[in-house]
Amino acid sequence: EPEVTQTPSHQVTQMGQEVILRCVPISNHLYFYWYRQILGQKVEFLVSFYNNEISEKSEIFDDQFSVERPDGSNFTLKIRSTKLEDSAMYFCASMLEGPYEQYFGPGTRLTVT
Amino acid sequence: AQTVTQSQPEMSVQEAETVTLSCTYDTSESNYYLFWYKQPPSRQMILVIRQEAYKQQNATENRFSVNFQKAAKSFSLKISDSQLGDTAMYFCAANYGGSQGNLIFGKGTKLSVKP
Repeated sequence: EPEVTQTPSHQVTQMGQEVILRCVPISNHLYFYWYRQILGQKVEFLVSFYNNEISEKSEIFDDQFSVERPDGSNFTLKIRSTKLEDSAMYFCASMLEGPYEQYFGPGTRLTVT
Repeated sequence: AQTVTQSQPEMSVQEAETVTLSCTYDTSESNYYLFWYKQPPSRQMILVIRQEAYKQQNATENRFSVNFQKAAKSFSLKISDSQLGDTAMYFCAANYGGSQGNLIFGKGTKLSVKP
């Protein structure tokens, strides 16, 4: 069964460094999302991406964040200058077409020290 | 504001028994989609069941079923014949935004199934 994959599974970085989180959505899906979950808290929406552009973003998704779909398979989230409060689990999700269910990847645990 | 509320932080159930997890939501949209996701200790989010608001019939997937009360804005999840593998965090989520809408999640209910 097709699944969403994410790499790395765990990333440790120092405050102020740039990180890139990678996702490979399910191949025929058209909608892509990033969510984050701070430990012990609920899952929060960051950004959605469709037709090679951002379709919606939350107030969390400020200028430090960017997304790209550099080729036909990868979907990346870049954090330009990480802060301690960016430490969280980051989930990528994809959806075939709206408004069906979103399929989540296993997540990347980001630890900023 | 469009919200999703889960008022039970933790619940436990004996193996083979039935448990119901509560979820309420608030929206002024007429059409929307509701989901229950399971997050086991591995932390991967797994879809359990989904409900379209325009459908009156409650969704069912094997041992999992929902009680969707649109007027009360309630969307509870019933797990029958609970199994040890059902131990997980359960998140109620809503898509209020139509075809491209993002998911709004509740805070989750931690379910423990005891042998």
